[in-house]
Amino acid sequence: QLQLQESGSGLLKPSETLSLTCTVSGGSIRSGRPSWSWIRQRPGKGLEWIGYIYESGTIYYNPSLRSRLTISVDTSNNQFSLRLGSVTAADTAVYFCVRGAPDSSGYFTHWGQGAPVIVSS
Amino acid sequence: DIQMTQSPPSLSASVGDRVTITCRASQNIGKWLAWYQQKPGKAPNLLMYDGSTLESGVPSRFSGSGSGTEFTLTISSLHPDDFATYYCQQYHSYSWTFGRGTQVEI
Repeated sequence: QLQLQESGSGLLKPSETLSLTCTVSGGSIRSGRPSWSWIRQRPGKGLEWIGYIYESGTIYYNPSLRSRLTISVDTSNNQFSLRLGSVTAADTAVYFCVRGAPDSSGYFTHWGQGAPVIVSS
Repeated sequence: DIQMTQSPPSLSASVGDRVTITCRASQNIGKWLAWYQQKPGKAPNLLMYDGSTLESGVPSRFSGSGSGTEFTLTISSLHPDDFATYYCQQYHSYSWTFGRGTQVEI
């Protein structure tokens, strides 16, 4: 069964760079045509899609975060990663790594458990 | 971005009740809508996609309908396990966006 697990920095100071990695197990990141996304959930707010990457390297970023965002994929280690620069308290959230639909459609079939990230001075 | 508006924001219900949640899109999204269930401290779980297609393994008491700008999620008979927050999500156009959620509570 496909599983996703986030790992990375949990406590940051303003202006630092958030760095998270998602390790995919129970299946290959190269199989099929799904996208691999990051989604966040800020306290008291809803879900916000951050961006996706395909194993081919095709990327799309949410324009609201594009200037600070890098998503990359490491197919040899079955991982994909998120880097968000110049963080502020507004970036405090639970960050989920997510697999998209097998036909490249835009819904999400598998979610990691979520990585809490706190930005505080 | 397409704005997704869910109503009601919360509702109180009892086991066995029929529950309906509405999701409205700020523009026509065709059938490109998904529904998720989220329990406290857990990741969301896909219930439905393409407006009305039930994800494998999801109980048949869940159903979805609608197209264009108005969609509904119906739980025909509420089970104790269904008390959770439900989110809609459009994937018609970027950036993919979610509703603010509907909390179903006792």
